[in-house]
Amino acid sequence: DQQVKQNSPSLSVQEGRISILNCDYTNSMFDYFLWYKKYPAEGPTFLISISSIKDKNEDGRFTVFLNKSAKHLSLHIVPSQPGDSAVYFCAASPSLNKLVFGAGTILRVKS
Amino acid sequence: NAGVTQTPKFQVLKTGQSMTLQCAQDMNHEYMSWYRQDPGMGLRLIHYSVGAGITDQGEVPNGYNVSRSTTEDFPLRLLSAAPSQTSVYFCASSLTASYGYTFGSGTRLTVV
Repeated sequence: DQQVKQNSPSLSVQEGRISILNCDYTNSMFDYFLWYKKYPAEGPTFLISISSIKDKNEDGRFTVFLNKSAKHLSLHIVPSQPGDSAVYFCAASPSLNKLVFGAGTILRVKS
Repeated sequence: NAGVTQTPKFQVLKTGQSMTLQCAQDMNHEYMSWYRQDPGMGLRLIHYSVGAGITDQGEVPNGYNVSRSTTEDFPLRLLSAAPSQTSVYFCASSLTASYGYTFGSGTRLTVV
């Protein structure tokens, strides 16, 4: 039973446009949500996070939105750049010790 | 700072063999974890530790053993390798999950 779902295996976006990556979760006990970016042959790198007490967090070109009632979060990248092409993982934290990851979405930004 | 260092980067094992994947961090992080990444399944937690001498099981602990004798090191032991353990293994460390885990570059393990 996947508690964190990323239903789009891949997404293709034109350079300069907005990329929107989506994530749904089922466990209402999750209190912290994170996005990681992963390039081939490298470990995931932390991108941005949001606490369950907020509905938006921004960091430069990256914004994460949280809709607790819908159990849905999204990552917006504006403007998208070719270097953003990677696998993006959504993760949720039921406690400070653990992360539960989604299956990932492959983002391709075309120049 | 080296961050999180994993060795080896690649390993091929025969079924039934045992081995230890090494993980070391130099950031004085209390929290350390081991994940495995399989196609279509994201990263799944194997074992984690909240400090030296304290470990606990994650989502997929069977066939793996861990110990944490120092803050810096968190080795993962495969007791008797099986083809189902073919995967990419990532070690991670953090002050807390809310700060975002720092991951190592991974160990690609193939069991034949």
